[in-house]
This record gives sequence, C-alpha cells and structure tokens, in this order.
Amino acid sequence: DTAVSQTPKYLVTQMGNDKSIKCEQNLGHDTMYWYKQDSKKFLKIMFSYNNKELIINETVPNRFSPKSPDKAHLNLHINSLELGDSAVYFCASSPPGQGGDTQYFGPGTRLTVL
Amino acid sequence: AQSVTQLDSHVSVSEGTPVLLRCNYSSSYSPSLFWYVQHPNKGLQLLLKYTSAATLVKGINGFEAEFKKSETSFHLTKPSAHMSDAAEYFCVVSDPPGGTSYGKLTFGQGTILTVHP
Repeated sequence: DTAVSQTPKYLVTQMGNDKSIKCEQNLGHDTMYWYKQDSKKFLKIMFSYNNKELIINETVPNRFSPKSPDKAHLNLHINSLELGDSAVYFCASSPPGQGGDTQYFGPGTRLTVL
Repeated sequence: AQSVTQLDSHVSVSEGTPVLLRCNYSSSYSPSLFWYVQHPNKGLQLLLKYTSAATLVKGINGFEAEFKKSETSFHLTKPSAHMSDAAEYFCVVSDPPGGTSYGKLTFGQGTILTVHP
C-alpha cells in the first residue's frame, strides 16, 4: 500500500528514557514533517525536512532531534523523556510541485510517559 | 502570521440534517486553506483544499467549503449528515510560498461533530 507509515503505534515509557519514532513514506514525496498533538487535540508543527535538509524547526526542546537518512524517512528521536512529552505524534509528507501545502498524514504514534 | 479560528468547539446534528462547521482565517497573503478530518484514534485525512482557484471547493464524502475573502471565512458544509461523519474537523492554513516556513500548516483548535440517529 502507498502511504505514510509510523512505528510504533503506541509507545509507553518511563521518564528519563530515550526513544525513537520512525516514519516512512513510499509516495515519492520530497518533504516530510513531524507534528505534535497535545491532550487538547491541538496540532502544532515541530520539524520539516526537504530532501533530507531541515527547513522548518519550530521552538522545540533540544531533546527532540529529527533524523532523515533519505528522503523517504524522517525519524524522531527524543532524549530524556518528560511527562509533558506525552502526546500523539504525527508524521506527514507532501509531494513535489504542490508547494508543500498538500500534506498526507501517517496514523500517529501515541506516546505515554510515566 | 497566519492563523485560523474555528468558531465552535462542538457541533451536534441529527442524521440527514445539514452540517455547518465555521472557520475564520487571518492571513497577510492570499492563503491556501484546508479542512482535515480525524476519526477517533485515526490519523488525519484531507477533506478538501482551496488554493485561489474556484471559491467553492468540493471535497470527499459530500463535503464542500466556500472561500469568502470579504468575510475571511472558509466554512465547511454538507447537505445531509451521516453517522460516519462523526469525527473532529480541523481548519488549516498554509504559509505562503517564498518564505522560510513554506509548507508550515497552522491548525485551528478543532470542531467535534456529533451525529445523532
């Protein structure tokens, strides 16, 4: 299936741990994004990469580090997890030529920090 | 800066009656506007988008939205609600081309649509 996929779907961990969320798209898109959806369902962009280059970096703690090994993958690594990091994290991608504005979202990863 | 305001946090309708979800936007430029839908425990799905072509935009599942520049609005409508329409709906504006944050989507607060039998 052509899609944006994320793993894992659920992640439960202890405060202070380091964890990664993986995102892959097989749509041939150039640009990928990470969004955070908090407990009030508010969605906010965190990062954007275009052809493995960082282009959007919102005010996100340094504990969050995106890594793009190739243009089909954008992984999110989080160090020293805190309670406030609990949220649903969505990966998205957008195709070339559409100006980055039509974005296709993955199913989300629900992170719970205990 | 771009922003969107969804005027209702909850909308409740009966099956078969019209749906209206309201959204106002603020933009210094001619905006790109979108509606996304999120079903419970699911990801986000694009319903429709406006990018300065026709002001009345038709989307999937019978939804449509009308861009009204004079009112800075982009309300989402559907003539007849189905039970399967129950979800949360997000109005979204995109940063314009040419800037360093091109592609950045700014989401509204969301409107939860409940459909009663």
